[in-house]
Amino acid sequence: DTGVSQDPRHKITKRGQNVTFRCDPISEHNRLYWYRQTLGQGPEFLTYFQNEAQLEKSRLLSDRFSAERPKGSFSTLEIQRTEQGDSAMYLCAIRGAGGYEQYFGPGTRLTVT
Amino acid sequence: DQQVKQNSPSLSVQEGRISILNCDYTNSMFDYFLWYKKYPAEGPTFLISISSIKDKNEDGRFTVFLNKSAKHLSLHIVPSQPGDSAVYFCAASVGENNNDMRFGAGTRLTVKP
Repeated sequence: DTGVSQDPRHKITKRGQNVTFRCDPISEHNRLYWYRQTLGQGPEFLTYFQNEAQLEKSRLLSDRFSAERPKGSFSTLEIQRTEQGDSAMYLCAIRGAGGYEQYFGPGTRLTVT
Repeated sequence: DQQVKQNSPSLSVQEGRISILNCDYTNSMFDYFLWYKKYPAEGPTFLISISSIKDKNEDGRFTVFLNKSAKHLSLHIVPSQPGDSAVYFCAASVGENNNDMRFGAGTRLTVKP
């Protein structure tokens, strides 16, 4: 148990619909990250939060993507007007208290039909 | 740009033997390296890490070796066990703020009983 839960675990949606994913760290962690993983690839960085502030966004994060962390605890990732290319595993991670490693949640698998 | 490369998509070894997983990187600024293990339907699990000031780090059956001049790192698992069968990702970051951690594409390890 990494201390990170994600909801839902699976989401199937039709192209053009909006979807929202949630990430809940069990305990308080300053840094929270979002990654995307497509088949046959490693996770790719999307964005990260230091408390409630979104400090960095990857160029992969198009205008259709928005992430929030309103109270510095849980975070949401919304994708508007989904496209088939958005089909992927979306992973949330927190940074370990004492080191550089990140601990990942189980991910949300998105399928856009 | 693929700054972290795992050129072997798969590896099969016999139980009890050594597993050696390799990783190459191109960005000489990377100074912190990590290995993650991923089972199906789960997020990546942190395994072991090494900073650029070291050339070896050991944790039980797992040892990571870093060759900075060759921009190469490897993960040794001795002895290999069937439960080690998973996809292994290497990752690298620059500095303490590892918000943009780069992952390789992964190597699927199968340990045969």
